[in-house]
Amino acid sequence: SQKIEQNSEALNIQEGKTATLTCNYTNYSPAYLQWYRQDPGRGPVFLLLIRENEKEKRKERLKVTFDTTLKQSLFHITASQPADSATYLCALGRNDMRFGAGTRLTVKP
Amino acid sequence: DAGVIQSPRHEVTEMGQEVTLRCKPISGHNSLFWYRQTMMRGLELLIYFNNNVPIDDSGMPEDRFSAKMPNASFSTLKIQPSEPRDSAVYFCASSLVPAGGNNEQFFGPGTRLTVL
Repeated sequence: SQKIEQNSEALNIQEGKTATLTCNYTNYSPAYLQWYRQDPGRGPVFLLLIRENEKEKRKERLKVTFDTTLKQSLFHITASQPADSATYLCALGRNDMRFGAGTRLTVKP
Repeated sequence: DAGVIQSPRHEVTEMGQEVTLRCKPISGHNSLFWYRQTMMRGLELLIYFNNNVPIDDSGMPEDRFSAKMPNASFSTLKIQPSEPRDSAVYFCASSLVPAGGNNEQFFGPGTRLTVL
């Protein structure tokens, strides 16, 4: 069956460092992979989309890589700030999207 | 645009009662998704519509769950009869999906359902 795994439930880092979150998948060939941010009590908010024929995407302090051979995506936040603290979800699919369980990131000042 | 609108924001009901959740997608979007989120199972896709037509309802847990989209601006998710294990946050999301493609989804604020 299809499985989407995010590296850990929680990740704690110091302000200014780079946060790296991992999304692995099995038994799936997604055409797209997306990353979302979710704050407590709110719905997920879209951050980045990367297609299967793209290796890397950047947006301000965010960078996403997509390796279809390894079946893995890495999500980086550089120069992290306490305001980046949230749960980050990866989602992959074609017309529909299946979400991972999320990684809760805490950036400490 | 006000974004995706969901109502009610909170619902507390007793086991066996019928529950109806409502969603108004962003105007012009052609796809609508219903999700359920719990601590144990994360964010699960229940059903999605494209141009008001249900495309994939394989995530609907049981026959107690049903969803409709009578027009492009309104959808409902109904649970009848409700059970305590249905307690969760239910999200509606909409998207403008090109043919054969994929695009970002815009989520509503969710409905927190508690079944006693």
